[in-house]
Formats: sequence, structure tokens, C-alpha cells
Amino acid sequence: QSALTQPASVSGSPGQSITISCTGTSSDVGSYNYVSWYQQYPGKAPKLMIYDVSKRPSGLSNRFSGSKSGNTASLTISGLQAADEADYYCISYTTSSTWVFGGGTKLTVL
Amino acid sequence: QVQLQESGPGLVQPSQTLSLTCTVSGVAVSSGEYYWSWIRQPPGRGLEWVAYIYHTGTTYYNPSLKSRLTMSVDTSKNQFSLRLTSVTAADTAVYYCARVGAHDYNNYHDFWGQGTLVTVSS
Repeated sequence: QSALTQPASVSGSPGQSITISCTGTSSDVGSYNYVSWYQQYPGKAPKLMIYDVSKRPSGLSNRFSGSKSGNTASLTISGLQAADEADYYCISYTTSSTWVFGGGTKLTVL
Repeated sequence: QVQLQESGPGLVQPSQTLSLTCTVSGVAVSSGEYYWSWIRQPPGRGLEWVAYIYHTGTTYYNPSLKSRLTMSVDTSKNQFSLRLTSVTAADTAVYYCARVGAHDYNNYHDFWGQGTLVTVSS
């Protein structure tokens, strides 16, 4: 299975919105709504931000939202804050009952 | 509160076997609600899903690692384990254990351990 494709980096200014894409195939992203997104700070474990394409865990800011179209899922962060600067990963369930991550995207808040 | 804690040697010699254990608290690994995953991250690189196991012993492995992997679960100790044989420097990584739901309504990795660094070197 090949890793999902994410941009290596994205950037935005405080208050702006950014979108990170996650492109897979009909064997993963395109087949299920089991796409999750994780935020990871250096030296820390990943934190669940979005699950089932667009659902937020309880207590998570509504500045984070997710969507999907075909084989591509997206994470949008609105009202960018300095604390959002981190690495972001998508993961999808596959038709082989396995999981596959994206390569990760480094978000820089300018 | 659900907690997961990885344990195992921090240094493994090339061609040897890497063995890690994840101790779970706050939920039973025998719960039919969850699978139990291993995920790794080489230094400075991205996350890679490795494998997961159900309490019945049913396992699913990353195809690229399958020939070298074995997972097991010990419900009496509330633990699950990973064995990776014939390791090379490419297996050097932080290894995380995590919980993933087994049903449509919880099919995502929600709780993770803090991770443990395993270095393959002589």
C-alpha cells in the first residue's frame, strides 16, 4: 500500500485559513469515510483532531474541520493561531482492512 | 482514564528481533469494542502504521512488514506485544501503541501511548 499524498508544507498568517489535502485511491480514501487527522508537536504523540472525515472529538475547537471529495480528503484550519504550528497527518482505512498514513504536512504560522 | 504505555529495549542489534509490549489501563484489551495498533515514526520522518490485533488474536499487518511481524495479546496482563525480526537501521523509530475502534461508530485511533524510541545499531 502506498502512503497517502499530502503537501510537505503549508503556511499562513494568523487569522487566515489554510487547507491541507490528503490524496489516496479508490482502495482507501475513496472507499470509506474512515479518514482521520492528527496534529503532532515535536517529541509528542499525535493528537486526534478529526475522525470519520469531518467529526471533531469532544472539546476540540470548531476552527478545525474536515471534508472529502472522491479520493481526496482535506483538513481546514480557520482563524490560524501560533499554537496551530505543528505537523499534521491524515490516515485512512483501506479495503485490505489495514490503515495507511499520509506523509505529513508541516504547518508554519507566519 | 485510558492509558497506554510502551516498554522494551531501546537498543537492538542489526539482524536481531525487536520486541515491544504495550500495557493498557482504563479499558480491557479483551473488549470487543477495540483493536490494538502499533504505529512507528523514524526520526525526522512521518508516521507509518505497522499492525493491529483484536482480542481474539486476529491480526492485520502492514504488507511491507508482514513477513517480519508478529503481534500477540495477553488479556490476563492487559497487554499486547509486537515482534519484528531481522531488523536493520531502517527500523529505527519511535514506536507508538494506540487504541482503534472495531466498529463503524468508533473506527479511528483515539488513545496513544507516549512512544518509545528503538534504535537499531551494533
